[in-house]
Amino acid sequence: SQQGEEDPQALSIQEGENATMNCSYKTSINNLQWYRQNSGRGLVHLILIRSNEREKHSGRLRVTLDTSKKSSSLLITASRAADTASYFCATDAEGGSEKLVFGKGTKLTVNP
Amino acid sequence: EAGVVQSPRYKIIEKKQPVAFWCNPISGHNTLYWYLQNLGQGPELLIRYENEEAVDDSQLPKDRFSAERLKGVDSTLKIQPAELGDSAVYLCASSLGAASDYEQYFGPGTRLTVT
Repeated sequence: SQQGEEDPQALSIQEGENATMNCSYKTSINNLQWYRQNSGRGLVHLILIRSNEREKHSGRLRVTLDTSKKSSSLLITASRAADTASYFCATDAEGGSEKLVFGKGTKLTVNP
Repeated sequence: EAGVVQSPRYKIIEKKQPVAFWCNPISGHNTLYWYLQNLGQGPELLIRYENEEAVDDSQLPKDRFSAERLKGVDSTLKIQPAELGDSAVYLCASSLGAASDYEQYFGPGTRLTVT
């Protein structure tokens, strides 16, 4: 069943600007992952954040997790045209099973 | 290191015909997943394997879909007969472990069009 839901559904920015997308989920989780999908490279894992972590960084990516609000955000700083892609959050399924459940994604367009 | 390999990349068939997809996971990855992705949606799990055992196939439409993972390595996903609603991208992924604290590595997918 659907667990994570991304917001906004679509986002269009200019190169050099920051992009922020959010993920909300319904029940408690152990881990939350973010993935990127573009037409050239398929789905690629970006970052994993555990429920006891509040923030993680990877290059130009910053992920935060607020378990009290059941939400996570992905910030891409100094965006590039190559960041144009769909971004998905994935969480434990409801009930804490061993599978990941993906949201519908945020479609990011970075205009040169 | 080679990534997850899938074939074919594209397949067009008429409804009621059978179709099969093949996946070769990353070497050493015991967990293999088949996902279905519709346009504008996230991937939805069809089946998960631990070695050669299907441990989660609750979302697999068993009346027409079947899967196997012989010898715990390569896997095939079959649809017979295909329906118009089966048009989608079928993704294969693999990981070192099954829990949600393992990242999944995805193949490029097979885009199926049923006419």
